[in-house]
This record gives sequence, C-alpha cells and structure tokens, in this order.
Amino acid sequence: GQNIDQPTEMTATEGAIVQINCTYQTSGFNGLFWYQQHAGEAPTFLSYNVLDGLEEKGRFSSFLSRSKGYSYLLLKELQMKDSASYLCAVSGSARQLTFGSGTQLTVLP
Amino acid sequence: GAVVSQHPSWVICKSGTSVKIECRSLDFQATTMFWYRQFPKQSLMLMATSNEGSKATYEQGVEKDKFLINHASLTLSTLTVTSAHPEDSSFYICSGTSGDQETQYFGPGTRLLVL
Repeated sequence: GQNIDQPTEMTATEGAIVQINCTYQTSGFNGLFWYQQHAGEAPTFLSYNVLDGLEEKGRFSSFLSRSKGYSYLLLKELQMKDSASYLCAVSGSARQLTFGSGTQLTVLP
Repeated sequence: GAVVSQHPSWVICKSGTSVKIECRSLDFQATTMFWYRQFPKQSLMLMATSNEGSKATYEQGVEKDKFLINHASLTLSTLTVTSAHPEDSSFYICSGTSGDQETQYFGPGTRLLVL
C-alpha cells in the first residue's frame, strides 16, 4: 500500500518563498506528482518527478529523493492566487494515483 | 496540457434514482481513465481504473454493482451511480492518461447531491 504525509496547512506572505514537503512509503513507485486544487475545482497538474533531483518550471520547482521517500514543492514569488490546496500524489505500479491529504496554503498580503 | 471534460458539472437527484456522469478526453485518446471521489475537506480517493474495452478495476471498498463504469471508447468513460443515497453525495472527478504517459489530466469534476 501507499502512505503519504504532508502538512495540513501553511501560511506565507505575498512575494515570499514556501516549501511544501511530502514523505511517502510505497510498495510500487512510478513517479510523484504535485497538483494544485482550488476550492470546488478539480486538480491541475503542476509537476512530475520520477528521477532524483530538482525540476524547475517557472515559479514552481519540485524535488525528489527516492532513497529517502521525500519530495518537496517550492513556490517562489508567491501571489495571492497561489492560495490553494497542494496535493502530493504517488503513482503506483498500475499508474493509479494515491493522494496525500493535501496542504492548504494561504498567502497573506 | 490535455483537456478532459465532464458532464454534468453538478446534479441534484432524489434518493433511489440513478445518475450518469460522462467523462470525455477532448484532444487525446485516453487509453486509461480513472474515477475519484472527494468528500469535503478530504483528498481524492481512487474509486476505479478503467482501460478502454475492458472491465474496470475497483478499489477495495468500492461496490462495483453500485458504481457502474463503462469505457467503451478511447474518448469516453461513464460512471453511473445506481440507487443513489445521501451518503453518495460527493465531488466525482475523472482523469485520463494516454499510452505510456504517466501524467493524469483531470476533468472539472461533477458535484452530486442526493436528497
């Protein structure tokens, strides 16, 4: 089975940098995803890591360490619109996604 | 990214009736589609995985006779909630993936309220 842990809530200030951590224990691993979900909407894809290291995409970066079962999502130059829930999800052997409980990020002015 | 649509976006029905939700991949062929359910303030829970032309694989605890899934074509999957009850009220979200690609693209979701 899969077990995924991420903080429930985080708060940061507009223009700052925030790092959202995710740890996982898995019986099968085909990569780790980060999704953003605004209230009442479906998740939107942010990043996918299958190899160790940092993937950078604009203001968002994602890091993976498979040996440590650890990932983080880094958001730079925070904007008010970044207030959302951020979901860490692990892809299993049959490509099914197991989601963490999500981290609710609040960006303050 | 690839686009997935769902219809209807929201539905209200009486207890005991059946509701069908459609999930379409608009600009790619979804060889595999997934159905998730999300209760308020909770994360997405996978209900079932369906491959085009095959029977769906249901997650533990999900009743296959209650949640009927059909994936008859590479662009359409349907979820029918049979004999819906108030506890089935939830946000139902589908996703699709194509070929060997790992990324799942999500539909906008369908909010179901059973009275």
